[in-house]
Amino acid sequence: GENVEQHPSTLSVQEGDSAVIKCTYSDSASNYFPWYKQELGKGPQLIIDIRSNVGEKKDQRIAVTLNKTAKHFSLHITETQPEDSAVYFCAASKGGTSYGKLTFGQGTILTVHP
Amino acid sequence: DAGVIQSPRHEVTEMGQEVTLRCKPISGHNSLFWYRQTMMRGLELLIYFNNNVPIDDSGMPEDRFSAKMPNASFSTLKIQPSEPRDSAVYFCASSQGGTGNNEQFFGPGTRLTVL
Repeated sequence: GENVEQHPSTLSVQEGDSAVIKCTYSDSASNYFPWYKQELGKGPQLIIDIRSNVGEKKDQRIAVTLNKTAKHFSLHITETQPEDSAVYFCAASKGGTSYGKLTFGQGTILTVHP
Repeated sequence: DAGVIQSPRHEVTEMGQEVTLRCKPISGHNSLFWYRQTMMRGLELLIYFNNNVPIDDSGMPEDRFSAKMPNASFSTLKIQPSEPRDSAVYFCASSQGGTGNNEQFFGPGTRLTVL
């Protein structure tokens, strides 16, 4: 089955700096790669996603890049703010008869210091 | 829409007791997923349904765990008998389903503590 590795497990940055989280996946059939943000005491929430026919996607301060050949994708957060502090999860899915089943990475605890 | 609703939000029970977690998916969503989250194992998919039918239960850890979806608006995850190692946060998520890749919407979770 699919295996998703996520690094780093913890990331500490100063407010205004950029943060980058990286993930690799094992199944070349995976074609959908969402990123979720989980705040304390809450369920994960989708913040951005990318499909395999696109190399990069941006939404304000958040961007995701995908390298299908190398089977890795990354989340980039620019101009970080204290409210960006949370746990971030990457995931991979291959659709089809898996009905959108997601395999998650282990998560990255991001701390943004004011 | 109120989003995915889970109950109870917190459950404390003693080893050997039966525990039932409940989930109401977003109206119109056809797929429902049950996850377990722990520090050691992260987010694990336990089982998922499409159109009320279980599709893959390979993540269910043991026969002590069972899940049902009697209709499109309700699902349960039952642990009988419960053990301390079952202590975790259990999330339910729903999506529009089908064979495409659709955003999963997570509920607030149920924090289970088995003493």
